[in-house]
Amino acid sequence: KAGVTQTPRYLIKTRGQQVTLSCSPISGHRSVSWYQQTPGQGLQFLFEYFSETQRNKGNFPGRFSGRQFSNSRSEMNVSTLELGDSALYLCASSLGTNPITDTQYFGPGTRLTVL
Amino acid sequence: TQLLEQSPQFLSIQEGENLTVYCNSSSVFSSLQWYRQEPGEGPVLLVTVVTGGEVKKLKRLTFQFGDARKDSSLHITAAQPGDTGLYLCAGRGGSNYKLTFGKGTLLTVNP
Repeated sequence: KAGVTQTPRYLIKTRGQQVTLSCSPISGHRSVSWYQQTPGQGLQFLFEYFSETQRNKGNFPGRFSGRQFSNSRSEMNVSTLELGDSALYLCASSLGTNPITDTQYFGPGTRLTVL
Repeated sequence: TQLLEQSPQFLSIQEGENLTVYCNSSSVFSSLQWYRQEPGEGPVLLVTVVTGGEVKKLKRLTFQFGDARKDSSLHITAAQPGDTGLYLCAGRGGSNYKLTFGKGTLLTVNP
């Protein structure tokens, strides 16, 4: 079956702009998580959505927000972009039924560059 | 806040050598996972360990979860160039089972 897809793959924005990233999970998966990956901080958890509700949230400012639609597709929005927001944004989907052993399947990521 | 420290950060070895990557924390985790990430791709799950002291083998890779469920190791025997990549450990813990990642070990296996 098809894997996790993320669009766009690459994005260049300028400071102050906003951006929306999209993630389509594996069919049947109800949980979608978002991560930010940078060379300095590694992979950091942004938030998780399950059945259209935010179930978990990381330690990021309110400029980072997300939502999930009834078909489990998810979007992530970053407003008022800063240079430090340049990163690889990864989306991962899972069944979402067992928080201890759930397997997350990652998409290829969206590379965001803020100039 | 739960933290996972991985060591070493970088590792460059010759084909055929053995290596061990470590993942340590002061926190207890309900489960610990190891991923491998290649350039331009997302991480791919290699293994999940749940029980303290658990050992799992995946061909030439051996994963161990510490008895106290605070640390883990990944051992690769007779490394091959195809093992090259970023190895990440990630633990689930706390009341909400958030997944916390280590910063990774970048492994290069030279032919």
